[in-house]
Amino acid sequence: QSALTQPASVSGSPGQSITISCTGTSGDVGTYNAVSWYQQHPGKPPKLIIYEVTKRPSGVSDRFSASKSGNTASLTISGLQADDEADYYCCSYAGGNTPFGSGTHVTVL
Amino acid sequence: EVVLMESGGGLVKPGGSLRLSCAASGFPFDNSGMSWVRQAPGKGLEWVSFISTSGSYIYYADSVKGRFTISRDNAKNSLFLQLNSLRADDTAVYFCARLAPGDYFDFWGQGTLLTVSS
Repeated sequence: QSALTQPASVSGSPGQSITISCTGTSGDVGTYNAVSWYQQHPGKPPKLIIYEVTKRPSGVSDRFSASKSGNTASLTISGLQADDEADYYCCSYAGGNTPFGSGTHVTVL
Repeated sequence: EVVLMESGGGLVKPGGSLRLSCAASGFPFDNSGMSWVRQAPGKGLEWVSFISTSGSYIYYADSVKGRFTISRDNAKNSLFLQLNSLRADDTAVYFCARLAPGDYFDFWGQGTLLTVSS
């Protein structure tokens, strides 16, 4: 039950696009189309922003998009805004458990 | 409106026990798989445990297996986590979350803080 691997931090200027990677294994990301992404602001619970690899819940900005290739999933935030500064976590079903990624702090410069 | 409200956190000595509760409303609790997820201070999210709708399927993270027990009471729309043999590294905010079909966490509580310290 290892955590999925994410970069510790990513930064970008307002208006730019950034991409966060999430690397797992053939036992989780590589096998199941059950990758989800969460945004967490300090002191708040996580918020679902992507589910089933590419789908956005109602109310989530279309500036958030995601994909998967092999054992690696990716989240792209386009048109970066100040409120996007937060921690982002990926998660994948893994046959009974649901490990999270190590988390990525996004800084808006 | 969906509400998940955790309670039961506090300060416990190493080796001690505690029971966390999560009261749910606003969605069909008895038809929802539920999980506990924790977050140590300044650290990332860690999945802890899952229980299926009827309790027939239960899974634990290796880090808590044999020490924590998840349960639910569908009649009371409540989820529980019994924590035994607590260690300092169990110190965290514990969130309850619904695991939607498709295996993603769509509803989260605000969390309850457990501190394990002598």
